Amino acid sequence: KNEVEQSPQNLTAQEGEFITINCSYSVGISALHWLQQHPGGGIVSLFMLSSGKKKHGRLIATINIQEKHSSLHITASHPRDSAVYICAVRLDYNNNDMRFGAGTRLTVKP
Amino acid sequence: DAGVTQSPTHLIKTRGQQVTLRCSPKSGHDTVSWYQQALGQGPQFIFQYYEEEERQRGNFPDRFSGHQFPNYSSELNVNALLLGDSALYLCASSLEGGRRGTEAFFGQGTRLTVV
Repeated sequence: KNEVEQSPQNLTAQEGEFITINCSYSVGISALHWLQQHPGGGIVSLFMLSSGKKKHGRLIATINIQEKHSSLHITASHPRDSAVYICAVRLDYNNNDMRFGAGTRLTVKP
Repeated sequence: DAGVTQSPTHLIKTRGQQVTLRCSPKSGHDTVSWYQQALGQGPQFIFQYYEEEERQRGNFPDRFSGHQFPNYSSELNVNALLLGDSALYLCASSLEGGRRGTEAFFGQGTRLTVV
């Protein structure tokens, strides 16, 4: 079983829809990252969380440390949001090592 | 301010050959981590360099080695390439070994194809 599990694996939405991507992890962590990866490979860090909630534009990320669960929400989705979204955790006992989920491929149709 | 830059962007090598990938960290960052991302999977941690030394290593064979230079740039070397080494290789930079509270910035990656 992977230490970081994401769901769903694939998600197709219509423009304007509210989107939620979930991440569960099974190890102790010091921080959780939500990353965005566009075709071609480059990764952009969206959020780094250790507790609570963060908001940036139409993106919202929450984390529940007790339940070892995080969600990434996209409000008023747009075709340019189409990308792979990856959840990654920085391990509690070793800040040097990050473990990644397999990613959620989001396609937003106009 | 340039972010993390990697070179080359694409590379094709023959099985058995050796390859060197390069990474320049974001300005002000002193730590470089390397990841391998196979098609359709999340990245896997290879190793991290800080103060010109390998600080931590993931589950990769000794064919994978690296180096960090005094200017904090880093190289990833892979010897005796296998077809299974074909992947996107990502470099991320951070400050002081990724200590709690510092964020990692990723490069665009080098796509390696082994034929």
